[in-house]
Amino acid sequence: SYVLTQPPSVSVAPGKTARITCGGNNIGSKSVHWYQQKPGQAPVLVIYYDSDRPSGIPERFSGSNSGNTATLTISRVEAGDEADYYCQVWDSSSDPVVFGGGTKLTVL
Amino acid sequence: EVQLVESGGGLVKPGGSLRLSCAASGFTFSNAWMSWVRQAPGKGLEWVGRIKSKTDGGTTDYAAPVKGRFTISRDDSKNTLYLQMNSLKTEDTAVYYCTPTRGDGDAFDIWGQGTMVTVSS
Repeated sequence: SYVLTQPPSVSVAPGKTARITCGGNNIGSKSVHWYQQKPGQAPVLVIYYDSDRPSGIPERFSGSNSGNTATLTISRVEAGDEADYYCQVWDSSSDPVVFGGGTKLTVL
Repeated sequence: EVQLVESGGGLVKPGGSLRLSCAASGFTFSNAWMSWVRQAPGKGLEWVGRIKSKTDGGTTDYAAPVKGRFTISRDDSKNTLYLQMNSLKTEDTAVYYCTPTRGDGDAFDIWGQGTMVTVSS
């Protein structure tokens, strides 16, 4: 089955740029979606189809996908961005939907 | 307003059964492919399964850990999605979310608040 690998944690100072990676075999050939989840809340879609932003998501959130790595970039990080972030793809091999293990973003 | 409301969670003993419901409103439920996603306490998101719209065949797919034990169904007349869970195991303990897509490949852009299922003796 297809595996997505995320770093367990990323730390960043306020105002700086956070980059959260999502590794997968030739992930650049797939479409990647990113979700933000704060404690006790349901996930929220922040990036879809690699780099598109849903309405209401700040422009500070951006995404890219190439080769074996997809990246969620959060510019000018704010305290309110502290959350768990998950990448997700659809895969035709076994289970259709695959989530990464999640990355906890800590704002220092 | 688009809304998903999951219900039916609770405490159940190992080997028991439970049926979850997901009431949808604010979008054309009958056209949506509906998925269940779960999250065990302190763990990540895990896709459980999906049912296509009836116009696209209404077929279901399940994740390996639940295949043969869980059944997803839908009642488009009631705008409601169901998850029948049988032979429950302690590892099925999780918050269960329902979420729609327009088809495979699409993002999960709408989520309910989830319903908690605890499997324990």
